[in-house]
Amino acid sequence: GQQLNQSPQSMFIQEGEDVSMNCTSSSIFNTWLWYKQDPGEGPVLLIALYKAGELTSNGRLTAQFGITRKDSFLNISASIPSDVGIYFCAGHAYSGAGSYQLTFGKGTKLSVIP
Amino acid sequence: TAGITQAPTSQILAAGRSMTLRCTQDMRHNAMYWYRQDLGLGLRLIHYSNTAGTTGKGEVPDGYSVSRANTDDFPLTLASAVPSQTSVYFCASRLARDTGELFFGEGSRLTVL
Repeated sequence: GQQLNQSPQSMFIQEGEDVSMNCTSSSIFNTWLWYKQDPGEGPVLLIALYKAGELTSNGRLTAQFGITRKDSFLNISASIPSDVGIYFCAGHAYSGAGSYQLTFGKGTKLSVIP
Repeated sequence: TAGITQAPTSQILAAGRSMTLRCTQDMRHNAMYWYRQDLGLGLRLIHYSNTAGTTGKGEVPDGYSVSRANTDDFPLTLASAVPSQTSVYFCASRLARDTGELFFGEGSRLTVL
């Protein structure tokens, strides 16, 4: 099946710093999604990207759908303690016979040092 | 707004026992999913249902079964639990199959001893 490579696996940053994480794939996706999971909770959708080259912001978060449709990045500006959590990318593609497949990256665990 | 409700929140189960994790959504979403989350492995799809009355196997279906008798409910059953099924289980639903946007429940933490 399709696989996503998400990096970095984990990162420790100082409060106020900017953060960048990305996902790459050998396959083309129609949609890129970024989720955040707070400790003890389910993932929550942050940003959805639908077109190659699309750049979308949600507050301090900015995500881009790569031109090749095989990658996406998420930036967080001026990090704050509540940004702590696990961030997942997910790619969505048509997989034939009326079926759509959603593939998740393994996550980036973000720790923010006050 | 309830969204997706999972029960139980956590459970300790003896190996060999059966267990059903419950999932209910009130958003009238057609598609529903069960994932397990394990450290270092991310979210892995166990089973899915594109619409009431249909189910399909995901990446790691062995040892699990599901049913979809109606739109709202999608229970996951472990017929005879084994320690490797210790995990956090997430139910999710999706409104439209061509957008990929999943909504997740809060998760059920299962420990099999």
